[in-house]
Amino acid sequence: EPEVTQTPSHQVTQMGQEVILRCVPISNHLYFYWYRQILGQKVEFLVSFYNNEISEKSEIFDDQFSVERPDGSNFTLKIRSTKLEDSAMYFCASSETRYTNYGYTFGSGTRLTVV
Amino acid sequence: ELKVEQNPLFLSMQEGKNYTIYCNYSTTSDRLYWYRQDPGKSLESLFVLLSNGAVKQEGRLMASLDTKARLSTLHITAAVHDLSATYFCAVDTNNDMRFGAGTRLTVKP
Repeated sequence: EPEVTQTPSHQVTQMGQEVILRCVPISNHLYFYWYRQILGQKVEFLVSFYNNEISEKSEIFDDQFSVERPDGSNFTLKIRSTKLEDSAMYFCASSETRYTNYGYTFGSGTRLTVV
Repeated sequence: ELKVEQNPLFLSMQEGKNYTIYCNYSTTSDRLYWYRQDPGKSLESLFVLLSNGAVKQEGRLMASLDTKARLSTLHITAAVHDLSATYFCAVDTNNDMRFGAGTRLTVKP
């Protein structure tokens, strides 16, 4: 079964450093998303992306965050200057169509720890 | 702003018992999703409800959607330990999906 692949699975970074989280969505999917989940808590929407541009972003997705699809397969989330409160599990998701009949397919996540 | 409220947030039940998890949302939407998350794991799609009155069943879980009441339910029948997990409902908006806070279910022998 096709999967959404995320790397790394765990990243530890110092406060103020830049991090890039990487995702390889399912190959025929066109819509891409980032969500985050602070340990054991709510799954929060960050950003949606389609046709090489952001479709929607939440209030969490401020100027410190950016997304990119640098080639035909990767979808990245960059945090420019990490804060302690950025520590969370970050999930990438993709879907074939906007109004999916199957739900989004989520990756296994990247646990980001900011120290 | 869209609000998605689940209750209860924590549910401890004995094996063999039945229970219902509720998901209320604040905006018009015809699409609602239920996901399961095991500790430290990703989100697994359980049900996709696409219209008013939709009902889906898989094993001991049954989900329904009432778009007029803006309410979805996830009913657990004769719970077993393997159902212990966190269950999230998520509502489709114009551009993405927004999640409820999750219901952490523990099924005890």
